[in-house]
Amino acid sequence: SQKIEQNSEALNIQEGKTATLTCNYTNYSPAYLQWYRQDPGRGPVFLLLIRENEKEKRKERLKVTFDTTLKQSLFHITASQPADSATYLCALDMESQGNLIFGKGTKLSVKP
Amino acid sequence: DAGVTQSPTHLIKTRGQQVTLRCSPKSGHDTVSWYQQALGQGPQFIFQYYEEEERQRGNFPDRFSGHQFPNYSSELNVNALLLGDSALYLCASSSGLLQETQYFGPGTRLLVL
Repeated sequence: SQKIEQNSEALNIQEGKTATLTCNYTNYSPAYLQWYRQDPGRGPVFLLLIRENEKEKRKERLKVTFDTTLKQSLFHITASQPADSATYLCALDMESQGNLIFGKGTKLSVKP
Repeated sequence: DAGVTQSPTHLIKTRGQQVTLRCSPKSGHDTVSWYQQALGQGPQFIFQYYEEEERQRGNFPDRFSGHQFPNYSSELNVNALLLGDSALYLCASSSGLLQETQYFGPGTRLLVL
């Protein structure tokens, strides 16, 4: 069966450390993978998109890797801050038509 | 530049009733997608509208229907509400035939009693 899993429901780290979140999927061949941030009671906010032929993407303190052989994406936040505390969602798109398949999310808490 | 807006913000209905949720896309966007997000879960794709037609549909029953207007705004209708329809309903807008970045609205929180 098709599955998309974000390995941790919750991740607690100390301010200044690097947070690493994992997204694994089975029986999908996505055209690309996206990461979103969601704060309580709010809609998801787009962070980064990586295509199937790309290995790595960076934006400021954020880095995403995409391994289509392992069927895994890693999302890194370097020099984390308490303001980074939120739920982070990964999403797959099979056909570049906006039908996103989301994981359950990982709740990140960054302690000062 | 207004982002995606949704109304109402909160809604309480009883089982068997019908509900209509509304969405205005971000300026310049012509495509609207609707998602259902249950508590503690990721959003689930309901359907997408482009050029006033339903272009894609997720695994939701026919009780869920929608509409897109000429100004690209959209409505989501749910008939014969069930307790399990209680969720955050999210609207996302995007531009063009190649749908990559989607911009989400704040959502409508629906509670079915």
